[in-house]
Amino acid sequence: GAGVSQSPSNKVTEKGKDVELRCDPISGHTALYWYRQSLGQGLEFLIYFQGNSAPDKSGLPSDRFSAERTGGSVSTLTIQRTQQEDSAVYLCASTLGRKDQPQHFGDGTRLSIL
Amino acid sequence: AQTVTQSQPEMSVQEAETVTLSCTYDTSESNYYLFWYKQPPSRQMILVIRQEAYKQQNATENRFSVNFQKAAKSFSLKISDSQLGDTAMYFCAFMSGGATNKLIFGTGTLLAVQP
Repeated sequence: GAGVSQSPSNKVTEKGKDVELRCDPISGHTALYWYRQSLGQGLEFLIYFQGNSAPDKSGLPSDRFSAERTGGSVSTLTIQRTQQEDSAVYLCASTLGRKDQPQHFGDGTRLSIL
Repeated sequence: AQTVTQSQPEMSVQEAETVTLSCTYDTSESNYYLFWYKQPPSRQMILVIRQEAYKQQNATENRFSVNFQKAAKSFSLKISDSQLGDTAMYFCAFMSGGATNKLIFGTGTLLAVQP
């Protein structure tokens, strides 16, 4: 497809379980972002990948959160030992890499921790 | 640290009327980028309009325009001839012109266009 694809759309899991969220960016986009959107809140930056550079992980809220981007394309956000406060919509965006370029967002993954 | 403030949690406008959404930000930088994104109920974020800080001319995209006041650190969005499809959350966002590529978002304004 032409847009950013995220899977799954919805994920319900029990507290303490690990989850993996996937993002497939637009082909050719060198930059990829993960954000978290809690209910009624704005978007909170989590992590940023740009080409082969070291990722900017400064937004990850704890060491339970990690992300990787394989082959400069698909990215996986992993949350270990999930907590109820991890419940949120996780959004992925990609861009050509220039600062003035718009970020193209996926539809997000709604994560619910029981 | 840069911050973005949207002081209007909710707004309502009649169809075909004009509405202005406010946004202020805080930065010590002189070069940066500002964006307005729209998030309809379908959840996907869509870019509405963008402004580069070194450009004095206000950006315009069809019915959407901004009032960029650099000295006041204000970046308001004006929607003219409001349409039902404009109903959405609107987020103001800031990106530094420096080394970081973080996009910093405000908390959003929920706009309801009434028929």
